[in-house]
Amino acid sequence: DGGITQSPKYLFRKEGQNVTLSCEQNLNHDAMYWYRQDPGQGLRLIYYSQIVNDFQKGDIAEGYSVSREKKESFPLTVTSAQKNPTAFYLCASSKRLAGGSGSYNEQFFGPGTRLTVL
Amino acid sequence: ELKVEQNPLFLSMQEGKNYTIYCNYSTTSDRLYWYRQDPGKSLESLFVLLSNGAVKQEGRLMASLDTKARLSTLHITAAVHDLSATYFCAVQGSARQLTFGSGTQLTVLP
Repeated sequence: DGGITQSPKYLFRKEGQNVTLSCEQNLNHDAMYWYRQDPGQGLRLIYYSQIVNDFQKGDIAEGYSVSREKKESFPLTVTSAQKNPTAFYLCASSKRLAGGSGSYNEQFFGPGTRLTVL
Repeated sequence: ELKVEQNPLFLSMQEGKNYTIYCNYSTTSDRLYWYRQDPGKSLESLFVLLSNGAVKQEGRLMASLDTKARLSTLHITAAVHDLSATYFCAVQGSARQLTFGSGTQLTVLP
């Protein structure tokens, strides 16, 4: 079955630690995204990548880092510089963002990782 | 900057009743998406609306898009308990990224 997997499902971090969240997809999608969701709120874009070895900052990139060495994988590192990292993190993917009137960016989401700072 | 506003944020409705969720956005776009999220779960794609006047229906849910008014609606017909969830709209901006609304938490009461 094609899909997006995220691990771990739950993650606990001590203050001052870096932690890495995994995201893998086998949908053959070119674009991948990381979002943060806080309780009772919508999703905010952290980073996105449209192609291997390239990524761009989203709206709230400070304190986070990513890599895109393989098409299937887009790990997110939450660094100690992120002062309030407790949140639900969602990874998504979509087909390549082509131009033209027929293009659209329907994103498909993984199950999420819930990060808590102790 | 693209802003997306949903209302209401919270909605309690009786089974069998009809209601509409509204999604307003601030800049021109003809790409709008509706997602459903169950508590503690991920987002599930419901509808993709790609032009002015687009209407999509699936079961008791119907979504529409009016790009001139910068408004999308999600209409619920004869609600049932299984529809209880949080519904998000997302608008595709000029950079082709999605901006999400804050979500509407729907509770269907027996």
